Amino acid sequence: EAGVTQFPSHSVIEKGQTVTLRCDPISGHDNLYWYRRVMGKEIKFLLHFVKESKQDESGMPNNRFLAERTGGTYSTLKVQPAELEDSGVYFCASSPIRTSGSYATQYFGPGTRLLVL
Amino acid sequence: DQQVKQNSPSLSVQEGRISILNCDYTNSMFDYFLWYKKYPAEGPTFLISISSIKDKNEDGRFTVFLNKSAKHLSLHIVPSQPGDSAVYFCAAGDNYGQNFVFGPGTRLSVLP
Repeated sequence: EAGVTQFPSHSVIEKGQTVTLRCDPISGHDNLYWYRRVMGKEIKFLLHFVKESKQDESGMPNNRFLAERTGGTYSTLKVQPAELEDSGVYFCASSPIRTSGSYATQYFGPGTRLLVL
Repeated sequence: DQQVKQNSPSLSVQEGRISILNCDYTNSMFDYFLWYKKYPAEGPTFLISISSIKDKNEDGRFTVFLNKSAKHLSLHIVPSQPGDSAVYFCAAGDNYGQNFVFGPGTRLSVLP
């Protein structure tokens, strides 16, 4: 079974440019999450999709970040315009819908390393 | 304000000995905890979990202990192997773990 995949693996852009990150979750996983790790610190939650709906976007830093999951399959995270502080590693994770009384482990992709110059 | 803390940024252990990684949390609503392992240039990989109804969960060389009153959990690796060298993240969640809060990670180095 294929794991969570992310594209691109690395991206180097200049301040003010736009970057779009893509995540393909594990097939059949309705939950999709975006996280960010900045400067080797903790992995911070950005947002959570259940199928195509945004369940929780409380972690999105500002309106320069736009996440979509059309059709409830893959997701994109667009940063426009990018700023220096957006540099970091962006992880995507997916999990199946939990059943009552159970817990759904999140499976992570390899991440996209974004550097804004 | 960090809700999940891993106060040791790094830990070195001799091969064959026990590695103990610690994690503290502040939110009493957390009821599910996980440990992830991360190698360089890879995403975090799920290692082991524990729910708040238990105080211990064991899987092979890995055991997680939970002390709810102290809001503390620990990961024990016995015996430690060089391949265990990685960054270990503690994560905590509520509402049956739909969203998780991660700690900053502890870099474990197992010396041969």
